[in-house]
Amino acid sequence: EAQVTQNPRYLITVTGKKLTVTCSQNMNHEYMSWYRQDPGLGLRQIYYSMNVEVTDKGDVPEGYKVSRKEKRNFPLILESPSPNQTSLYFCACKRDPWTGELFFGEGSRLTVL
Amino acid sequence: GQQLNQSPQSMFIQEGEDVSMNCTSSSIFNTWLWYKQDPGEGPVLLIALYKAGELTSNGRLTAQFGITRKDSFLNISASIPSDVGIYFCAGRHTDSWGKLQFGAGTQVVVTP
Repeated sequence: EAQVTQNPRYLITVTGKKLTVTCSQNMNHEYMSWYRQDPGLGLRQIYYSMNVEVTDKGDVPEGYKVSRKEKRNFPLILESPSPNQTSLYFCACKRDPWTGELFFGEGSRLTVL
Repeated sequence: GQQLNQSPQSMFIQEGEDVSMNCTSSSIFNTWLWYKQDPGEGPVLLIALYKAGELTSNGRLTAQFGITRKDSFLNISASIPSDVGIYFCAGRHTDSWGKLQFGAGTQVVVTP
């Protein structure tokens, strides 16, 4: 079954405590991306990756890091989380970076106290 | 910057009613996509539109790519309780390499 798997699904943490949200896809897709969803703002892109070892900033990259060492994995790193990073995060992928539709994971709800 | 406005923000409808929502852009898009997000889940693609004027159906859902290429609408006919969720439009700008821009979403609540 084609899947985009995120972990953890839910996390409550404290300001400044580094955390990583993992994302793995089994569809062999080239392109992967992270979004955050906030009420009234829809989905905003944080970072994206066109291929292995190629990453770039999206619309709201501040406070986040990513890496793409292998095609299937695209972790999102919060080095020093702050309360304004409390949000619902989605990882997504698509076969062709230039076209095609995004497939989303189930989401990771992060609360930073 | 580019603006993508989705309306209405929320809808409370009775089972059996038809639903209509739309998205407008300040610039031309070459693709419109409509996604649905069930509570506690990630968005799932409902309909993809690639040509101006295109009208596409998926069961009780119908979406159209506006002739000006700056808007799209989604209709849901004869709503049922499982239609509840957030519906997002997304567009790909003509100058964009493939990046999607998302609307803020329309929350649909269906009452029996």
